[in-house]
Amino acid sequence: ETGVTQTPRHLVMGMTNKKSLKCEQHLGHNAMYWYKQSAKKPLELMFVYSLEERVENNSVPSRFSPECPNSSHLFLHLHTLQPEDSALYLCASSQDRGILADTQYFGPGTRLTVL
Amino acid sequence: TQLLEQSPQFLSIQEGENLTVYCNSSSVFSSLQWYRQEPGEGPVLLVTVVTGGEVKKLKRLTFQFGDARKDSSLHITAAQPGDTGLYLCAGAKGPGTASKLTFGTGTRLQVTL
Repeated sequence: ETGVTQTPRHLVMGMTNKKSLKCEQHLGHNAMYWYKQSAKKPLELMFVYSLEERVENNSVPSRFSPECPNSSHLFLHLHTLQPEDSALYLCASSQDRGILADTQYFGPGTRLTVL
Repeated sequence: TQLLEQSPQFLSIQEGENLTVYCNSSSVFSSLQWYRQEPGEGPVLLVTVVTGGEVKKLKRLTFQFGDARKDSSLHITAAQPGDTGLYLCAGAKGPGTASKLTFGTGTRLQVTL
């Protein structure tokens, strides 16, 4: 238990569906992250939020839409996804003290399958 | 694009053997981290190294950061089944609004009895 929870743990959706992934951190951190982990690529950073402001958007397609309503919650809204978007989506948080490489605490991930 | 190449990609060994995993890049990183990820879980931080040439030990695990801060290695002595997992290195370019890490390609280790 890392203090970062993600729901759902597994999700199967069609290409025309709209769904949302939820992440919650109980660590009092002020930065949150979405990563994509697929079988054939390294772990890819998608979005970074610090103090609820988006500070990084790594050229992610617009069919992925993040939302950070407060420092404890992070959502990833999904619509009209493609089969190649099937992957493990990981959420992480860190204290963001502005020092070298804060420790990032990861949730268990949501295994997404797009049919 | 910064790339962190890990080798080997897969490693299957027996309990008690030693192994070394390498993490190499053409880019300089201000710090480098190693994570281990077990099935059904997210990565968990093992160590952070920040100084070129630095060596850190964590029980049977020894981590080294290259002098030029472009590469790193993880050595495991007398591997145990509990060491099984995906090992990921991750480099950071420097402090920022939030730590943005570049992850390596991963090394999947299986330790059998």
